[in-house]
Amino acid sequence: DVKVTQSSRYLVKRTGEKVFLECVQDMDHENMFWYRQDPGLGLRLIYFSYDVKMKEKGDIPEGYSVSREKKERFSLILESASTNQTSMYLCASSKQGVEQYFGPGTRLTVT
Amino acid sequence: GIQVEQSPPDLILQEGANSTLRCNFSDSVNNLQWFHQNPWGQLINLFYIPSGTKQNGRLSATTVATERYSLLYISSSQTTDSGVYFCAVFSGTYKYIFGTGTRLKVLA
Repeated sequence: DVKVTQSSRYLVKRTGEKVFLECVQDMDHENMFWYRQDPGLGLRLIYFSYDVKMKEKGDIPEGYSVSREKKERFSLILESASTNQTSMYLCASSKQGVEQYFGPGTRLTVT
Repeated sequence: GIQVEQSPPDLILQEGANSTLRCNFSDSVNNLQWFHQNPWGQLINLFYIPSGTKQNGRLSATTVATERYSLLYISSSQTTDSGVYFCAVFSGTYKYIFGTGTRLKVLA
């Protein structure tokens, strides 16, 4: 079974803090994705990576960066958290063009 | 880019009822997935169905790629079926395009 894990289910941070969200997959997938989900806005793609050290901006990359030093791990970084980054963050992985698998999500609150 | 529309946006059923959820997409796609988002927020894979029909227990799905739609059937619904159902399409780039979802509530 494919397993995608995320480092935290719930996270509370203060405005201005640097925040790291970690995602690990165990199925040797090339592609990894970070989405955020907000009420009424659906899932929006922040960044994706199609190989180690490779990354591409998604639809809403502003205020975020990513890191993929190993194939199994994809990190989302909020350089200076702001209240408008309070959201549900979902990580996913896939082989190219086939099924995408999601982690359990991280509910981030920035106060 | 490809547009993905789901209908209905909201659905309330009595336990035991059947339902059909629809996903329309505006262009040719290479694959299509259905997900169920549970109350804790996790997206659970239901079907990977670029074309044809698949069944898994009380759930089945049909994709008619030439007519650009997919249907998800839920039979004998249970309260645990409640949540949001998403379809997502892959168009041949790296990105998956998600619909806005159907929120289902099943009443006991």
